[in-house]
Amino acid sequence: DAGVIQSPRHEVTEMGQEVTLRCKPISGHNSLFWYRQTMMRGLELLIYFNNNVPIDDSGMPEDRFSAKMPNASFSTLKIQPSEPRDSAVYFCASSLETGQPQHFGDGTRLSIL
Amino acid sequence: AQTVTQSQPEMSVQEAETVTLSCTYDTSENNYYLFWYKQPPSRQMILVIRQEAYKQQNATENRFSVNFQKAAKSFSLKISDSQLGDTAMYFCAFMTGRGGSEKLVFGKGTKLTVNP
Repeated sequence: DAGVIQSPRHEVTEMGQEVTLRCKPISGHNSLFWYRQTMMRGLELLIYFNNNVPIDDSGMPEDRFSAKMPNASFSTLKIQPSEPRDSAVYFCASSLETGQPQHFGDGTRLSIL
Repeated sequence: AQTVTQSQPEMSVQEAETVTLSCTYDTSENNYYLFWYKQPPSRQMILVIRQEAYKQQNATENRFSVNFQKAAKSFSLKISDSQLGDTAMYFCAFMTGRGGSEKLVFGKGTKLTVNP
């Protein structure tokens, strides 16, 4: 079975540019999560969707961040405009249902210069 | 709000020996789930083990086992017969059992080094 697929694996861009991270969850999973990992703050949930509907976006840092899930097999996390402090590893994860383990993608390492 | 504390930023162990990683958490809920994830240098997040709070029996997965003490809100991970491939960051995580709130709350992690 294919796991959670994220793209790109690495992204380097200049501040002010728009960044789009992509995620394909495991087929059949109905919850999708976006996490951010930094040295200072560790792993933090940004937003999660259940059946394509955003449930909790309290972790989204500010209006520069937006996430969409147009269908059950695809989600995007967009940062516009990007800033150096957005540099981090962004993980997407999916799970079958509440209480079940979340399966993580390989992450996108984002560097904003 | 739930919090997860891993008090050991770094640990090391000799190959083939046993090591225990500590984790404590704070919650007022009675029903929840606890997890240990492993993150090797490749940066993948790999599930190691899962425990349901309503189960008294400690979870085990091959060389990995937990000591779940619900009253003390403690959830330690024991790795037996340590192998070089166990070298990684280990994260303890909490998930509420309430429907509609599935986010994982992570500890800061413990960096484990297995020495040959």
